[in-house]
Amino acid sequence: GENVEQHPSTLSVQEGDSAVIKCTYSDSASNYFPWYKQELGKGPQLIIDIRSNVGEKKDQRIAVTLNKTAKHFSLHITETQPEDSAVYFCAAMPPSNYQLIWGAGTKLIIKP
Amino acid sequence: KAGVTQTPRYLIKTRGQQVTLSCSPISGHRSVSWYQQTPGQGLQFLFEYFSETQRNKGNFPGRFSGRQFSNSRSEMNVSTLELGDSALYLCASRTGTSGEKETQYFGPGTRLLVL
Repeated sequence: GENVEQHPSTLSVQEGDSAVIKCTYSDSASNYFPWYKQELGKGPQLIIDIRSNVGEKKDQRIAVTLNKTAKHFSLHITETQPEDSAVYFCAAMPPSNYQLIWGAGTKLIIKP
Repeated sequence: KAGVTQTPRYLIKTRGQQVTLSCSPISGHRSVSWYQQTPGQGLQFLFEYFSETQRNKGNFPGRFSGRQFSNSRSEMNVSTLELGDSALYLCASRTGTSGEKETQYFGPGTRLLVL
């Protein structure tokens, strides 16, 4: 079955710098890759997603890239701000049962 | 549109007891999924219900069960609680009919502490 690995587990960056979180997946048939942000005391919230027929997607300071050949996808946050501090989860969805398979999460810390 | 709501938000139980958690999905959503999240862990999938039927199931023991009502509201039950069941339990809803095209929307979670 599908397996998703996420790195790093913790990422600390200076405010204003960029942050990159990477995920790899094992099932080449997976075709949907969302990223969720979880703030303290809240449930995860979708921030961006990408489908397998697209290589890159941007939404203001956030972008996701997908490399289907290498089976990895990444979240890029530019010009980081204090409110970006949170735990970020990647996920992949194989078409077999349309269930999301989750990465272990990355705690992003933005230093002032 | 109102979001996913979960009740109660916090719960303290003792070992051996049982607990029932409730989730009300977004209006029009027929799929409800449940997840367990423990400190430092990712999201562990418990099960998904769609139109009152369990559609998918994760690798949890039979002590964890659920059901869905005709109005799509869902309940999750854990019997014979163990210390390791202490976790944040999250519910997520989606329409359930479009496969991979669908976004899952999460509720705020129920934090369960087992003493």
